[in-house]
Amino acid sequence: NAGVMQNPRHLVRRRGQEARLRCSPMKGHSHVYWYRQLPEEGLKFMVYLQKENIIDESGMPKERFSAEFPKEGPSILRIQQVVRGDSAAYFCASSPIRLAGVTDTQYFGPGTRLTVL
Amino acid sequence: AQSVTQLGSHVSVSEGALVLLRCNYSSSVPPYLFWYVQYPNQGLQLLLKYTTGATLVKGINGFEAEFKKSETSFHLTKPSAHMSDAAEYFCAVRGNDYKLSFGAGTTVTVRA
Repeated sequence: NAGVMQNPRHLVRRRGQEARLRCSPMKGHSHVYWYRQLPEEGLKFMVYLQKENIIDESGMPKERFSAEFPKEGPSILRIQQVVRGDSAAYFCASSPIRLAGVTDTQYFGPGTRLTVL
Repeated sequence: AQSVTQLGSHVSVSEGALVLLRCNYSSSVPPYLFWYVQYPNQGLQLLLKYTTGATLVKGINGFEAEFKKSETSFHLTKPSAHMSDAAEYFCAVRGNDYKLSFGAGTTVTVRA
């Protein structure tokens, strides 16, 4: 069973460009979470999605950031007009269908390291 | 709200020596606690987790952690370090929802 896949692993963008980060959850998982790790800090929650639904985006910056998880294909985290402060590692995690209200363990991908020049 | 403090951003141990990584948490509800390990250029791998029940939790690769409610701690230990244990370790806490709150991580180096 393949793990959570993320691509690209490394992404370099110039200020003002767009960054698209992709995440394919583990087989059988329908919940996707995005986290961001700034230098010297722990991972911070950004957004929680299910297929075609954003459940919680309370950790997303208000502007320039968006996320989707379409019916078909990977989840996408999109950052428009990137700035140097967006340089970070972005991790995706997935979990299986929630059982009886208990949230299951999240399994993480290898991350995408975004560098903004 | 939940938060985690990991004491010590870098730990260096000799091969065969005890590994001790400290984690203290803050939670307004009974916590779920996790330790993840990240090897270079890889994703976070779950080492172990505490949900309910036995407070001493055993994980993979010989690691274990003890939940101490009175001390709000969840320290990670391994009796004998191996070179392959060199990695970054993250402690995380979760409340009743899905949001994991992570510490800043502790990098472990193992000396031959």
